[in-house]
Amino acid sequence: EPEVTQTPSHQVTQMGQEVILRCVPISNHLYFYWYRQILGQKVEFLVSFYNNEISEKSEIFDDQFSVERPDGSNFTLKIRSTKLEDSAMYFCASKRTTYEQYFGPGTRLTVT
Amino acid sequence: AQSVTQPDIHITVSEGASLELRCNYSYGATPYLFWYVQSPGQGLQLLLKYFSGDTLVQGIKGFEAEFKRSQSSFNLRKPSVHWSDAAEYFCAVGPLTGGGNKLTFGTGTQLKVEL
Repeated sequence: EPEVTQTPSHQVTQMGQEVILRCVPISNHLYFYWYRQILGQKVEFLVSFYNNEISEKSEIFDDQFSVERPDGSNFTLKIRSTKLEDSAMYFCASKRTTYEQYFGPGTRLTVT
Repeated sequence: AQSVTQPDIHITVSEGASLELRCNYSYGATPYLFWYVQSPGQGLQLLLKYFSGDTLVQGIKGFEAEFKRSQSSFNLRKPSVHWSDAAEYFCAVGPLTGGGNKLTFGTGTQLKVEL
């Protein structure tokens, strides 16, 4: 069964550094998402992406964040200058045209 | 604005006992409702979903949920819990149409199963 994959599983970075989190959505899916979960808190929506553009973003998704689908398979989340409060689990999700979003296993980002 | 409330942060049940996890939502239109499960260190796995039709929906791993519009609830149930069901359970709501179809999650219920 097709799955959403994410790399790396764990990323440690220093404050102020740029990070890129990578996701490979399910191949025939058309909508892509990033969510994050700060330790002990609920899962929060960051951004949705469709037809090569952002369709919706939350107030968390400020100018430090960007998303890209550089080729036909990858979907990336870039954080330009990481802060301590960016430490979280980041989940990628995708869906085709039905409403179930399929989530990847997540990337744990630790900012020191 | 849409919101989801899961009033129970932690629940402990004995293996073989029945389970009900509560979820209440606030949404301005007909919602699309989900339950996801997250095992330690794992991603989110979809247990079941509801968007129309029969208000009692069946999911994977023997779970079911009942949509009650009058109570704005979508409670998750299982008649007999297994030790492997210990995990965190999230209720989520999303729009049927429009926009990016973002999901709004509840704060989760941590389920502990006693042997």
